[in-house]
Amino acid sequence: DIQMTQSPSSLSASVGDRVTITCRASQYISNYLNWYQKKLGKAPKLLIHAVSSLQSGVPSRFSGSGSGTDFSLTISSLQPEDFATYYCQQTYSTPRTFGQGTKVEIK
Amino acid sequence: EVQLVESGGGLVQPGGSLRLSCAASGFTFSSYNMNWVRQAPGKGLEWISYISTSSSTIYYADSVKGRFTISRDNAKNSLFLQMNSLRDEDTAVYYCARAHYDDYVEYFQHWGQGTLVTVSS
Repeated sequence: DIQMTQSPSSLSASVGDRVTITCRASQYISNYLNWYQKKLGKAPKLLIHAVSSLQSGVPSRFSGSGSGTDFSLTISSLQPEDFATYYCQQTYSTPRTFGQGTKVEIK
Repeated sequence: EVQLVESGGGLVQPGGSLRLSCAASGFTFSSYNMNWVRQAPGKGLEWISYISTSSSTIYYADSVKGRFTISRDNAKNSLFLQMNSLRDEDTAVYYCARAHYDDYVEYFQHWGQGTLVTVSS
């Protein structure tokens, strides 16, 4: 199975901060990498698919980059509604594994 | 509008069974591969099962293999998850998710609101 490791597991940031979350795959996954946002009591929300393709309706302050095994999600200017947990997911092989999540909290 | 509505969750004793349903609307259900994903309390997201449009291809996570069975009824626009031999660690919110593809890259664009399964004596 491909293991997905996110860092950090949690972070505290202020509104307006630039935030970067990294995701490392245990083996090559090409561009089969997606990012989701999860808020308590809500369904996961797709932000980015295939490393850097922004989902329609997702603010442009979200961006993704990387290739092969190392990827990142960047929020250029953190907004109050961005405080949530973020998950990367690989769909290169089965099982479709998620990272353990990165909780973004208010400083 | 795409809608996925899960149902069937509840409280069940260890060793018991439960059948989850996911009712789809707003799209041609038979044209889309589907998945089940769960989130245990205080834990992360865990993919557990996939089924192709015609049910010809099915995958399971090792954690549920041999105990859970995914199925679908395209005529009724419904996805199912039969869960047997339930364990405490199966306690979670269960989501159905529709698969999309962009140049072969699969991603889960639409999700249901989830249904809570609690396994406890």
